Amino acid sequence: ETGVTQTPRHLVMGMTNKKSLKCEQHLGHNAMYWYKQSAKKPLELMFVYSLEERVENNSVPSRFSPECPNSSHLFLHLHTLQPEDSALYLCASSQDWTSGSPGETQYFGPGTRLLVL
Amino acid sequence: GENVEQHPSTLSVQEGDSAVIKCTYSDSASNYFPWYKQELGKRPQLIIDIRSNVGEKKDQRIAVTLNKTAKHFSLHITETQPEDSAVYFCAASGSYQLTFGKGTKLSVIP
Repeated sequence: ETGVTQTPRHLVMGMTNKKSLKCEQHLGHNAMYWYKQSAKKPLELMFVYSLEERVENNSVPSRFSPECPNSSHLFLHLHTLQPEDSALYLCASSQDWTSGSPGETQYFGPGTRLLVL
Repeated sequence: GENVEQHPSTLSVQEGDSAVIKCTYSDSASNYFPWYKQELGKRPQLIIDIRSNVGEKKDQRIAVTLNKTAKHFSLHITETQPEDSAVYFCAASGSYQLTFGKGTKLSVIP
């Protein structure tokens, strides 16, 4: 499969559950991102990995834990979530950037629709 | 940090008319401005982008203009078709972080 894939596509979990979201990119990119998309809000950047190192953590609660084992795979581990965490979680990838250069185009996966009960 | 404002939040046009969506940004260091289209239940997809060394870019019915002095950029869709109906997001970036606008829901009425 080409592009950026995400699994599962839909997830329902209780507040005490532990689950993981998976993202895989087949574009040869070396930067990966997690975004949260809630209704009536802009896309919110959560985490950025470049060359498997985390370079951004936008004040995300510790109940979200990212993992990037290699440049093609990205995980988001979830535990003790709250109902307000229900949203569409999007993964994206891009080429790496260099300081001072224009941004690189980000390509999105289809997202995981998460419902926390 | 960067702040991106997008207007309007909803836009309805008759098929064949033009649609214009405008965005402003706050960080003068931003130099990359992509536009994404998101259809219902689908992923955001890049439709066009512009970099700070260019004032205008066209791709068939879609064009983007950038005014760095005023810190605003716009998406223009001509000869709209029903399949153009979607939510459109603008974004601004100076490096790796894309800051998105809140989106514009475009409805093209047949």
